[in-house]
Amino acid sequence: NAGVTQTPKFRILKIGQSMTLQCTQDMNHNYMYWYRQDPGMGLKLIYYSVGAGITDKGEVPNGYNVSRSTTEDFPLRLELAAPSQTSVYFCATVGGYEQYFGPGTRLTVT
Amino acid sequence: DAKTTQPTSMDCAEGRAANLPCNHSTISGNEYVYWYRQIHSQGPQYIIHGLKNNETNEMASLIITEDRKSSTLILPHATLRDTAVYYCIVRSYGGSQGNLIFGKGTKLSVKP
Repeated sequence: NAGVTQTPKFRILKIGQSMTLQCTQDMNHNYMYWYRQDPGMGLKLIYYSVGAGITDKGEVPNGYNVSRSTTEDFPLRLELAAPSQTSVYFCATVGGYEQYFGPGTRLTVT
Repeated sequence: DAKTTQPTSMDCAEGRAANLPCNHSTISGNEYVYWYRQIHSQGPQYIIHGLKNNETNEMASLIITEDRKSSTLILPHATLRDTAVYYCIVRSYGGSQGNLIFGKGTKLSVKP
């Protein structure tokens, strides 16, 4: 039982490039979330999903897209990377009262 | 969800109890108090939660005042591995689950 896994762990992008951050969970949870965390700050919600085929915007969705074709996977897409998207990205699920977080992807856009 | 106020940082000696306060004066009746922590650059980790009664688990104790406007997380015997940022979060349970609103938290430094 791996919980929540994220790939890659690190990535450097040039301005204007695109990439997909992968998130997979093996806990069969319906709810999944993407957060970003800027240095010294708390986490901010980008997008979330309440089940396969259903997604919705969080607090800071601009510049990102998501899809949820299966219960297990919730990829986050950056289409035109900008320096403001330099951050650490965390994927999470919730089961009962507890939210489970992945190890994070550290993204640098230069 | 109600806002919370926490000190920016705290120090604690190894082996002593760490008491982390949190103010949530606008908490409503159906909102729970949650505590998470984040050890350097890792994903946040759930610690404990409560509604109005004091709670204890293998990691910590949560003391909630009778008026529910503040709470204290207690790590009974802090170790160096407890050095982390601790987040106090207030939210209701049910409806759109999750969507925790993280503030800046309290940076706890446990010193030998």
